[in-house]
Amino acid sequence: EPEVTQTPSHQVTQMGQEVILRCVPISNHLYFYWYRQILGQKVEFLVSFYNNEISEKSEIFDDQFSVERPDGSNFTLKIRSTKLEDSAMYFCASVLGVRSSYEQYFGPGTRLTVT
Amino acid sequence: AQKITQTQPGMFVQEKEAVTLDCTYDTSDPSYGLFWYKQPSSGEMIFLIYQGSYDQQNATEGRYSLNFQKARKSANLVISASQLGDSAMYFCAMREGWGAQKLVFGQGTRLTINP
Repeated sequence: EPEVTQTPSHQVTQMGQEVILRCVPISNHLYFYWYRQILGQKVEFLVSFYNNEISEKSEIFDDQFSVERPDGSNFTLKIRSTKLEDSAMYFCASVLGVRSSYEQYFGPGTRLTVT
Repeated sequence: AQKITQTQPGMFVQEKEAVTLDCTYDTSDPSYGLFWYKQPSSGEMIFLIYQGSYDQQNATEGRYSLNFQKARKSANLVISASQLGDSAMYFCAMREGWGAQKLVFGQGTRLTINP
């Protein structure tokens, strides 16, 4: 069964460093998302991406964040200068988007630890 | 105001018993979708069940069913014949509008199944 994959599974970085989180959505899906979950809290929406552009972003998704789909398969989230409060689990999700329930398939997550 | 409310932070149930996890939602959009996800201790988000606002019948998927009461704006998850492997966090989420909109999550309920 096709699935969303994410790399790395765990990333440790120092405050102020840039990180890139990578996702490979399901191949025929059209809509892509990033969510984050701070430890012990609910899952929060960051950004959605369709047709090679951002379709919606939350107030969390400030100028320090960017997304890209560089090669038609990967979908990346970049944090330019990490802060301690960026420590969280980051989930990528994708949606087929055509005659479907618009069910979002989530990847296994990347746990980001900023020290 | 909270879009999704899960009032049970934790629940403890004996194995083989049925369990109901509560979820209420708030939206003025007539088109919406309701989702339940399971998050085991390993951290991934596993899709369980979906209910569309126009669906006439309650959704069912194996041991999972969704008790959809539109007038009350509730979408409770029912797990029949609980198993030890059902122990996890459970999140209710809503998509407002029709299409590939973002999901808004509740705070989650931690379910523990006792042998």
